[in-house]
Amino acid sequence: GNSVTQMEGPVTLSEEAFLTINCTYTATGYPSLFWYVQYPGEGLQLLLKATKADDKGSNKGFEATYRKETTSFHLEKGSVQVSDSAVYFCALRSVGGADGLTFGKGTHLIIQP
Amino acid sequence: SAVISQKPSRDICQRGTSLTIQCQVDSQVTMMFWYRQQPGQSLTLIATANQGSEATYESGFVIDKFPISRPNLTFSTLTVSNMSPEDSSIYLCSAEQGANTIYFGEGSWLTVV
Repeated sequence: GNSVTQMEGPVTLSEEAFLTINCTYTATGYPSLFWYVQYPGEGLQLLLKATKADDKGSNKGFEATYRKETTSFHLEKGSVQVSDSAVYFCALRSVGGADGLTFGKGTHLIIQP
Repeated sequence: SAVISQKPSRDICQRGTSLTIQCQVDSQVTMMFWYRQQPGQSLTLIATANQGSEATYESGFVIDKFPISRPNLTFSTLTVSNMSPEDSSIYLCSAEQGANTIYFGEGSWLTVV
């Protein structure tokens, strides 16, 4: 079956640091890949997505590249802000797109001023 | 982007009772999904709800415990039946708008006492 593995936190960084949150997956074929963000006390927001190999999703300074050869979709940001503090979820959706999402366990990111 | 509203946003329920969560989308969507997020955990898909057919449940979730309705293309309900403290979770509705663009509601935070 499908699965998503992401680094567990909390991850604590200083403001303006470079961010990488690792995400790898197991799935058949070429699933679609997603990053969602959950700010404290709020629901999930779609941050970015990629639907085929070598696609790069980007939004709000975050980016992630769909790497089929390493089955990875690592999230990066060049300079984080305190407002980026949240829980980040990597997720996948099977080929065909008729199913729901399979989520990783989430990475709690804390940015200190 | 689709706006998804859930009611109630929070509730405290007595064990043995049932609660129905409503999910309203501001546009017509084909696929809707219900997820559970237990405290400090990731999201787990409960079922897929498509209009005109019975919901499709994931392993570990059954219709008697989580009956779902989908009367039209903008609305769905999830009932949590005969609740126990183990059902204390956030229940999230999501909907697909466009290919592989899946949005989430703010969630319904249930505490069973």
